[in-house]
Amino acid sequence: GIQVEQSPPDLILQEGANSTLRCNFSDSVNNLQWFHQNPWGQLINLFYIPSGTKQNGRLSATTVATERYSLLYISSSQTTDSGVYFCAVGAGANSKLTFGKGITLSVRP
Amino acid sequence: NAGVTQTPKFQVLKTGQSMTLQCAQDMNHEYMSWYRQDPGMGLRLIHYSVGAGITDQGEVPNGYNVSRSTTEDFPLRLLSAAPSQTSVYFCASSPIHYRGREYFGPGTRLTVL
Repeated sequence: GIQVEQSPPDLILQEGANSTLRCNFSDSVNNLQWFHQNPWGQLINLFYIPSGTKQNGRLSATTVATERYSLLYISSSQTTDSGVYFCAVGAGANSKLTFGKGITLSVRP
Repeated sequence: NAGVTQTPKFQVLKTGQSMTLQCAQDMNHEYMSWYRQDPGMGLRLIHYSVGAGITDQGEVPNGYNVSRSTTEDFPLRLLSAAPSQTSVYFCASSPIHYRGREYFGPGTRLTVL
C-alpha cells in the first residue's frame, strides 16, 4: 500500500510565527486531504488537494503530485492552531485513505 | 444538518462482550468508513462502504463486522471484544470518495477490560 510520511513529527511555535508542514507519499494518488485534530479530539477537514494550491484564510496548501509531496502552510499562528495535523492520501476508484502519523503542533502565547 | 453522528461517546466493555457502534450521516453521502485511532499510529481504516448493500475491508478488519442497509447508517459491530480493540473509533463520510472531502464524526472512546 501507499506509504505516507509527515515531518516534522513535533513543532513548537510562538504565537504569530509561520510554519510549513510536509507530507511525502510513495505512489501516485488521486486523493489527498489535510486534517486538523483539535485537543478535544475532533477531526476537521482543512483541504481536499490532490494537486495544485489552495488557500483558506491563514492556511494554504500545495500538492506537487509529480514529486509526491504536499505542504501545509500556517501563517501568523494562533494558540487555537494547536493540535495534530494529519495528511491522508488515496488512489484508485475507491480511493481508500491512508493516514500519516501526524504532526503535533503547539503554539505558545 | 447534523453531519456525521456517532453513539455512544464512551463505552467500557469486558473481554468477550459484543456491541455495536452507531454511525449516521444526513448529507446523502455514498461513501462511509470506520477508522480506529491508536496513540502514535494515526488513523487506520477498518471497513468502508461505497453505497447501500456494498461493504469492503480496510487495513485492520479482523474482529469487526459492518453492514450498510441504508445510505444514512453504517454500524460497526464488535463480535467478541478484546483488550487490543481498546481505541478511539471514528466514522466518516464523503460524497464521492475520490473526488470529495471526508467528514468525520466526533468519535467513540472504547475501553475493553
